[in-house]
Amino acid sequence: AQRVTQPEKLLSVFKGAPVELKCNYSYSGSPELFWYVQYSRQRLQLLLRHISRESIKGFTADLNKGETSFHLKKPFAQEEDSAMYYCALSGPWNTDKLIFGTGTRLQVFP
Amino acid sequence: KAGVTQTPRYLIKTRGQQVTLSCSPISGHRSVSWYQQTPGQGLQFLFEYFSETQRNKGNFPGRFSGRQFSNSRSEMNVSTLELGDSALYLCASSLVQGAGNEQFFGPGTRLTVL
Repeated sequence: AQRVTQPEKLLSVFKGAPVELKCNYSYSGSPELFWYVQYSRQRLQLLLRHISRESIKGFTADLNKGETSFHLKKPFAQEEDSAMYYCALSGPWNTDKLIFGTGTRLQVFP
Repeated sequence: KAGVTQTPRYLIKTRGQQVTLSCSPISGHRSVSWYQQTPGQGLQFLFEYFSETQRNKGNFPGRFSGRQFSNSRSEMNVSTLELGDSALYLCASSLVQGAGNEQFFGPGTRLTVL
């Protein structure tokens, strides 16, 4: 069965601390993995995706197929990073269907 | 470029009624997907449309239906509303259909069933 697991509902850190939001997935095949973010009173938007291998706003995520993980990391958290973060997967190739995790709320304190 | 728009933004209905929600994708986008967001179940996939054809359907009862028009606009309909249908309904569009595409989300329609 296709599933995305985000074990932490809430992650609280101080500004400047490293951040790691965990994401594990279950999928029989080669999924595409994403991180979507929702800032307060804004729409859900793409933060980054595995296929692009890019760093956005200082965030990176590495797909580990052996551990079926796609953890989101940032070395130094900023207050403006406070938001709801959703890990999602998509597959097979001919679908836009996203399977979302339950989300992790990141709070960055000054 | 205008983003994904959804109308209405808020709806209050009573049990047993039906409701139609509308989504206008970003100009040029041909793929539209719908999601239901609730505190208990999170974000769940409802349907996916491309070129006026439903390409994928989530695990929802037949009371949930949708369609896509030739201009890529999409509607979803929920008949015989139940209390549990209260949720935020999100629409997302992408340029073409396919895993790996960025999807652009609308602001959502907040449906309350009394």
